[in-house]
Amino acid sequence: DTGVSQDPRHKITKRGQNVTFRCDPISEHNRLYWYRQTLGQGPEFLTYFQNEAQLEKSRLLSDRFSAERPKGSFSTLEIQRTEQGDSAMYLCASSLAGAGVEQYFGPGTRLTVT
Amino acid sequence: GNSVTQMEGPVTLSEEAFLTINCTYTATGYPSLFWYVQYPGEGLQLLLKATKADDKGSNKGFEATYRKETTSFHLEKGSVQVSDSAVYFCALSASANTGNQFYFGTGTSLTVIP
Repeated sequence: DTGVSQDPRHKITKRGQNVTFRCDPISEHNRLYWYRQTLGQGPEFLTYFQNEAQLEKSRLLSDRFSAERPKGSFSTLEIQRTEQGDSAMYLCASSLAGAGVEQYFGPGTRLTVT
Repeated sequence: GNSVTQMEGPVTLSEEAFLTINCTYTATGYPSLFWYVQYPGEGLQLLLKATKADDKGSNKGFEATYRKETTSFHLEKGSVQVSDSAVYFCALSASANTGNQFYFGTGTSLTVIP
């Protein structure tokens, strides 16, 4: 069991630049979630995929954010024209489908926008 | 809507003290409830869960009972250890949401001193 992995672990970028994060879920999990966590807060839902289909997006996910899961395996989250308010920890989680099923979280990518 | 209200921290206890971290929720439908723990420098890990009313989740000496009448899922441990120092998050997954995304509380930081 290799768990959920995320890359990079840390990213420092200048305002206005684009960044892309990658998440590799647990291989047999068909659901993949992205969350954002700011200091002193719990994770907040951004979007989720079932296989390759993106089925829901939070209102937190502005037009500058896009996520893909092209073959139903790994996923990418891209932020265009980054702003200082985008600085946060971006968490990926995966799970099997179904109610009451736990999600397994990756270590996160910490984004700092200067 | 769905939300979780969690006891504010930080909490500091002496080793072997009794721990309670309060968690209450509001939810549409019939939620499943979870406690996650985040140790320093690590990702979120599932601590325990309960999927229906009156269920008790337990793990590593921690327990929480799903109380529908009080909409609560308080975390307890009879005797804490220094190694329990971490941030604890209460979360719910609402069955009414097809994606079963999680709603987290703000987290409670626990420090156990020898």
